[in-house]
Amino acid sequence: GEDVEQSLFLSVREGDSSVINCTYTDSSSTYLYWYKQEPGAGLQLLTYIFSNMDMKQDQRLTVLLNKKDKHLSLRIADTQTGDSAIYFCADYTGRRALTFGSGTRLQVQP
Amino acid sequence: NAGVTQTPKFRILKIGQSMTLQCAQDMNHNYMYWYRQDPGMGLKLIYYSVGAGITDKGEVPNGYNVSRSTTEDFPLRLELAAPSQTSVYFCASSSRGRESTIYFGEGSWLTVV
Repeated sequence: GEDVEQSLFLSVREGDSSVINCTYTDSSSTYLYWYKQEPGAGLQLLTYIFSNMDMKQDQRLTVLLNKKDKHLSLRIADTQTGDSAIYFCADYTGRRALTFGSGTRLQVQP
Repeated sequence: NAGVTQTPKFRILKIGQSMTLQCAQDMNHNYMYWYRQDPGMGLKLIYYSVGAGITDKGEVPNGYNVSRSTTEDFPLRLELAAPSQTSVYFCASSSRGRESTIYFGEGSWLTVV
């Protein structure tokens, strides 16, 4: 079945760049997503990328997709304390729903 | 804009009790979903629906039931609650499936004791 994996934890200093990585197994994935979850809140869509793209940039966010290696990354430039949250990678499965990774907790130290 | 609304936000159930988590969306979305999120884990799909009158099982459907009598509402029923169902439940909706943004509710925290 489909599987999405992420590292569990990342700690960076304020002002540095953060890179959160994700791997997926479903070669038929056509859309891949990044969601942000703050404590006690629901999921907020940050960005998504179509599988025929290598890169997508949206302000401080850069998504890189290596379809050959089934690897997705999210780069946050100039990371702020307000970026501290859990970040979920997800892909769109044949069941017409998202398959989520376990989430990467980003801790931004002042 | 209401978006996706879930109720209740918090609930404590005793083992064996039943309850319904309500979910409503006002965006006229065809697709609706129920996910559960266990501590430190990602979201697992329980059930989903692609339109009124149509529902299908997700990854972890055991112990739950759903119905979709209207486009707006997608309630999740827990029968005979068990401690393993202690989790955070998220309802979500989208207009066309994968090409569309999926909107999430704020979650319902359920504890079974």
